[in-house]
Amino acid sequence: ETGVTQTPRHLVMGMTNKKSLKCEQHLGHNAMYWYKQSAKKPLELMFVYNFKEQTENNSVPSRFSPECPNSSHLFLHLHTLQPEDSALYLCASSQGGNSPGCSFGSGTRLTVV
Amino acid sequence: AQTVTQSQPEMSVQEAETVTLSCTYDTSENNYYLFWYKQPPSRQMILVIRQEAYKQQNATENRFSVNFQKAAKSFSLKISDSQLGDTAMYFCAFMSPRGTSYDKVIFGPGTSLSVIP
Repeated sequence: ETGVTQTPRHLVMGMTNKKSLKCEQHLGHNAMYWYKQSAKKPLELMFVYNFKEQTENNSVPSRFSPECPNSSHLFLHLHTLQPEDSALYLCASSQGGNSPGCSFGSGTRLTVV
Repeated sequence: AQTVTQSQPEMSVQEAETVTLSCTYDTSENNYYLFWYKQPPSRQMILVIRQEAYKQQNATENRFSVNFQKAAKSFSLKISDSQLGDTAMYFCAFMSPRGTSYDKVIFGPGTSLSVIP
């Protein structure tokens, strides 16, 4: 248990569906992240939120829409996805400062059919 | 732009033996952090060890230690007395402090380590 919880653990969705991934951190961190992990590719940073404000968007398609209502919760809203979007989506949080490095959740395994 | 390279896609080691995983990185910055993360089949990404570039002493965490060669931009991980629970993907990662309160971590492609009984 690292203090970062992601739901659901698995998700299968059609290309016309709308779904959301949820992340919650219990560590008191101020920054939260979405990463995409595809087979045989390095982890890709998608979005960064710092104190609820989006500070990074690494050219992510608009079919992925993040939401950060507070420093403890992060959502990733999905709509009209493509099969190539199938991947493991990892949420992370960090405090920065003197404790660099992120704490990760167990991820949501997304399959787009 | 910073990059992280792990040249060994897969490795195996006998239980109780020692194994070293390689990592090189490219950066023009002088101050930064390096990490090794472990991702077992449970998918949980776990921070194994952290090294600050301005510290010459190699970091150690129990059975895990690093060999940090700043001039060569090399950051290898040594696992001593390998255990079955060490079977996992291992990711080398780089972070440059941005003077802000959040971290932007760049990951290598990973090395799949299998510990053989």
